[in-house]
Amino acid sequence: RKEVEQDPGPFNVPEGATVAFNCTYSNSASQSFFWYRQDCRKEPKLLMSVYSSGNEDGRFTAQLNRASQYISLLIRDSKLSDSATYLCVVTGNKLVFGAGTILRVKS
Amino acid sequence: GAVVSQHPSWVICKSGTSVKIECRSLDFQATTMFWYRQFPKQSLMLMATSNEGSKATYEQGVEKDKFLINHASLTLSTLTVTSAHPEDSSFYICSATPGYDYGYTFGSGTRLTVV
Repeated sequence: RKEVEQDPGPFNVPEGATVAFNCTYSNSASQSFFWYRQDCRKEPKLLMSVYSSGNEDGRFTAQLNRASQYISLLIRDSKLSDSATYLCVVTGNKLVFGAGTILRVKS
Repeated sequence: GAVVSQHPSWVICKSGTSVKIECRSLDFQATTMFWYRQFPKQSLMLMATSNEGSKATYEQGVEKDKFLINHASLTLSTLTVTSAHPEDSSFYICSATPGYDYGYTFGSGTRLTVV
C-alpha cells in the first residue's frame, strides 16, 4: 500500500462547479499535512496547511480526519486558473507526496 | 519569506558528464533540505535528505555514489549527478522549511536532459 494515496483523476469540471479531492495516508504517526498545487512543468507551491479543526482560505477548504487517516480539499466556484495537479503531502520524519489529482476546469 | 532558490533551471549535458545543482535558502537557515526527482506524469519522489554538517540520508534505491549531496552551510545544499546517463533525465527539485508551521518551500526545479 502506498504511504499517501490520491485519486489521480482527471476531474473535468465546468467553471463555477464545486469539486472535492480526497487523500488517505497509511502512517498514523504523521504529523503535518498540506495541499500543494503543481502546474505543468513547474515546482509545487503550497496551497494550504490542513488542520483537524479544518481550515478555509477563500474558495478552498481543507479538512483532516486523523481517526480515518483522511484528508480532503474542497474547491468552490472553480475558475479556469484552478486547473492544475493537486498534491496531498504528509510529513513525519520526511515529506511524502501523493501522486496528485489532476483538475481541469473548462469554460 | 521562506524563499528557496535553485540553479540552474535547466541543463543539457552529454552522457558521462557530471552536473551540479544548487539549492539555497535565501531568507532562512535550513539544517535540512530535501531533494526530489519527478519523471513525466509521476509524483515527486524523495531521493535524499540533506543534513548540514553531516552525511545525507538516501532513500532506498537511490545510489549515493551517483547522486552526491553536500550541505556545507545552513543555506546551501548541492546535488551532483555523476556520470549522467539518459535515464537520469528528469526534473530535480529541492525543498526546505523554516519550521513545520510554514510548510515546505520548493526551489523552481532543474530540468536535466542527458543526451
